[in-house]
Amino acid sequence: DAGVIQSPRHEVTEMGQEVTLRCKPISGHDYLFWYRQTMMRGLELLIYFNNNVPIDDSGMPEDRFSAKMPNASFSTLKIQPSEPRDSAVYFCASSPTSSGGYNEQFFGPGTRLTVL
Amino acid sequence: GENVEQHPSTLSVQEGDSAVIKCTYSDSASNYFPWYKQELGKRPQLIIDIRSNVGEKKDQRIAVTLNKTAKHFSLHITETQPEDSAVYFCAVPGRAGGGGNKLTFGTGTQLKVEL
Repeated sequence: DAGVIQSPRHEVTEMGQEVTLRCKPISGHDYLFWYRQTMMRGLELLIYFNNNVPIDDSGMPEDRFSAKMPNASFSTLKIQPSEPRDSAVYFCASSPTSSGGYNEQFFGPGTRLTVL
Repeated sequence: GENVEQHPSTLSVQEGDSAVIKCTYSDSASNYFPWYKQELGKRPQLIIDIRSNVGEKKDQRIAVTLNKTAKHFSLHITETQPEDSAVYFCAVPGRAGGGGNKLTFGTGTQLKVEL
């Protein structure tokens, strides 16, 4: 398996533009997580899905952020309009379900977003 | 939500020495405690985890200890090597009793192993 795939790896955009980040989880994993990492705030969970359904979006900073998971192999995180304070590394992660409860989260390589 | 505090924020050790990183949590029902390692410019990766039915788990040079009474757990790295230099994150479940794999991460510890 190729692991979690994210695109683009780097994105530079101007304030006010729409940004779409993409993620393909590991096949068979039914949990998908979106994280944001900055020096100031560390690794923050934005939203997570189970079987394509959003379970907890309490970490989404504001209405400018939205996430979708139209099928088991694809998810998007959209920022519209983008602001300089959105500059961060955005990670997607996936994990399987097991009877034992919690499982390892496998992270993608991340998307480094710079908003000018 | 779950609160987790991680200390120290930075740690510098000499090669061959041991390193210890500690995390405290607030929810006494938490039952899963992983540690992730993130090398510079790379993704976080799980290095070891422990469930609440054991007090210690070892994997070669790394170990995790859990004190459920005091609500803290620690990462121990022995015989440190330069490749151990990275940021280490602890994590705890976001909601007790199986909250769908959600984790709350600590603020991270920058470990530097000096030659």
